[in-house]
Amino acid sequence: AQSVTQLGSHVSVSEGALVLLRCNYSSSVPPYLFWYVQYPNQGLQLLLKYTSAATLVKGINGFEAEFKKSETSFHLTKPSAHMSDAAEYFCAVSRNTGTASKLTFGTGTRLQVTL
Amino acid sequence: ETGVTQSPTHLIKTRGQQVTLRCSSQSGHNTVSWYQQALGQGPQFIFQYYREEENGRGNFPPRFSGLQFPNYSSELNVNALELDDSALYLCASTSANDNEQFFGPGTRLTVL
Repeated sequence: AQSVTQLGSHVSVSEGALVLLRCNYSSSVPPYLFWYVQYPNQGLQLLLKYTSAATLVKGINGFEAEFKKSETSFHLTKPSAHMSDAAEYFCAVSRNTGTASKLTFGTGTRLQVTL
Repeated sequence: ETGVTQSPTHLIKTRGQQVTLRCSSQSGHNTVSWYQQALGQGPQFIFQYYREEENGRGNFPPRFSGLQFPNYSSELNVNALELDDSALYLCASTSANDNEQFFGPGTRLTVL
């Protein structure tokens, strides 16, 4: 079985500050890991993914995440927050099978960016 | 290239009714997955279709059923609607040899 835990349902940062959204996973097999962003009343957009290549993954909009097997973590970071980053962020895990398999999502972290 | 589309955008039903939601996969994708996202929660996997066959199912009762058509579009059917079925229903498509799923905008279902 696979699961994802996102620590902190709400995170608030000032514009220009570092963004850190935490994700820990549990998987009995090598995982694929994903971060998705969801803006209000919209579907999910992929920010980045880890698929057993480089452990530091760079995504869109300046986000990156580092896969740490020893800590079973895949935290999402961005050096400088922008107002447009305010959204809901979901970490997800799937089985490393090379083909599409079901995504197991965390409960999400709502990022608020203040002036 | 056309992305994943879903219809309708919003839907209101009453308890006990049946509903059909539709999804058109992205061009070149032959695998479709459906997810239910309740308010304030992460999406939950319902099932996946590959080449018109169910290819994995989450912890949802049999009144949740699906279809995939030869053009790889898909339907999600829910019978005997319950209040707890109120949610955003997301469709995602991918090619069979890819691990990235592309999501549609979702259908917001409200059950009264």
